[in-house]
Amino acid sequence: ILNVEQSPQSLHVQEGDSTNFTCSFPSSNFYALHWYRWETAKSPEALFVMTLNGDEKKKGRISATLNTKEGYSYLYIKGSQPEDSATYLCAFLSGSARQLTFGSGTQLTVLP
Amino acid sequence: EAQVTQNPRYLITVTGKKLTVTCSQNMNHEYMSWYRQDPGLGLRQIYYSMNVEVTDKGDVPEGYKVSRKEKRNFPLILESPSPNQTSLYFCASSPRSLTGRDTEAFFGQGTRLTVV
Repeated sequence: ILNVEQSPQSLHVQEGDSTNFTCSFPSSNFYALHWYRWETAKSPEALFVMTLNGDEKKKGRISATLNTKEGYSYLYIKGSQPEDSATYLCAFLSGSARQLTFGSGTQLTVLP
Repeated sequence: EAQVTQNPRYLITVTGKKLTVTCSQNMNHEYMSWYRQDPGLGLRQIYYSMNVEVTDKGDVPEGYKVSRKEKRNFPLILESPSPNQTSLYFCASSPRSLTGRDTEAFFGQGTRLTVV
């Protein structure tokens, strides 16, 4: 079983703060890295699918970077809003696997 | 509306009583999978299916069965549930095997199962 780690486990920020969190994954045999946003009582929804070293993707105030050589990805949220409160999951897909391996998530709470 | 539908959303059952959690997708996706989510752990894959009549074990298959007789449906069967199967379960689908680049997974809303 592959090891995918996310840090921190949880995070509380004030509305308007910018924040970021980390996903670490094996640096060998990389194929893709997914980010999902999971709000309580809803389905996880894809934010980004990243496949190339050095990739940077952006959706509104949320962006992500990817470093496949050292095995990490950062997710950034600029000017956090209460509606950004959710658990953010990353998932690693290796070249040899047919399944995503998920990290345990970073639970973000944005305080008004 | 494109979606993955799971039923039931909540279920409390007793040890040993067979149950089925249904999953259906209306997006003509080939790939479907089941995950369980437990506190402090990531989503762990139970079973997956690459296409009709093709299923394979994920990381935590013990105590579960699946079938894929039709493309749209992928039920999860617990023949003899036990308390350690109390968990939040998610079904997911994607257009093809996830080795298609830029292919994301679409999730159902989850089934919270309690086995007493």
